[in-house]
Amino acid sequence: AQSVTQLGSHVSVSEGALVLLRCNYSSSVPPYLFWYVQYPNQGLQLLLKYTSAATLVKGINDFEAEFKKSETSFHLTKPSAHMSDAAEYFCAVSAGNNDMRFGAGTRLTVKP
Amino acid sequence: KAGVTQTPRYLIKTRGQQVTLSCSPISGHRSVSWYQQTPGQGLQFLFEYFSETQRNKGNFPGRFSGRQFSNSRSEMNVSTLELGDSALYLCASSLDPAGGQETQYFGPGTRLLVL
Repeated sequence: AQSVTQLGSHVSVSEGALVLLRCNYSSSVPPYLFWYVQYPNQGLQLLLKYTSAATLVKGINDFEAEFKKSETSFHLTKPSAHMSDAAEYFCAVSAGNNDMRFGAGTRLTVKP
Repeated sequence: KAGVTQTPRYLIKTRGQQVTLSCSPISGHRSVSWYQQTPGQGLQFLFEYFSETQRNKGNFPGRFSGRQFSNSRSEMNVSTLELGDSALYLCASSLDPAGGQETQYFGPGTRLLVL
């Protein structure tokens, strides 16, 4: 079975600072990994996904994540935070059967 | 292309009642998954339907059920509602994952309040 652990339920950064959201996964098979963002009262929007094509994955809005098998990690980064990035971020893992397991989420706050 | 749509967006029910939620996937998507989101338990997988068949199921009681129609639209039903069923129910659709196209696109959700 697969699972995801997101380290830090709340992360606060200043506008313009680096964003780093941590995700570690557990999977018995090569995983598919995803990052989603959720704005208040909305569904989830895909930021990026890893499907073994490349370890560094670029997503929308300048987000990127690096798959590190040795560390079982898939941390999300963005070089410069914008106020509009304030939202909840979810890391998810799937074994390729559409049974997607989500982390508990990290709420990102961006301070002016 | 239109996105995933869910109806209704908001629903208030009382304990013991039953409820049916509807999801229309993105055109051409054949897989529909359902999730429950609560502050305490986070996002939990309920079940997935593909070609009118339930293919995967999460760890929920039998009160939670679903179905998929030939046009890929899906419904989920919760019978004998409990207070703990209050949640945001999210539907997601995707293409056939056999080719690795497993991105799930989410609808806005149905917020269910059980009183």
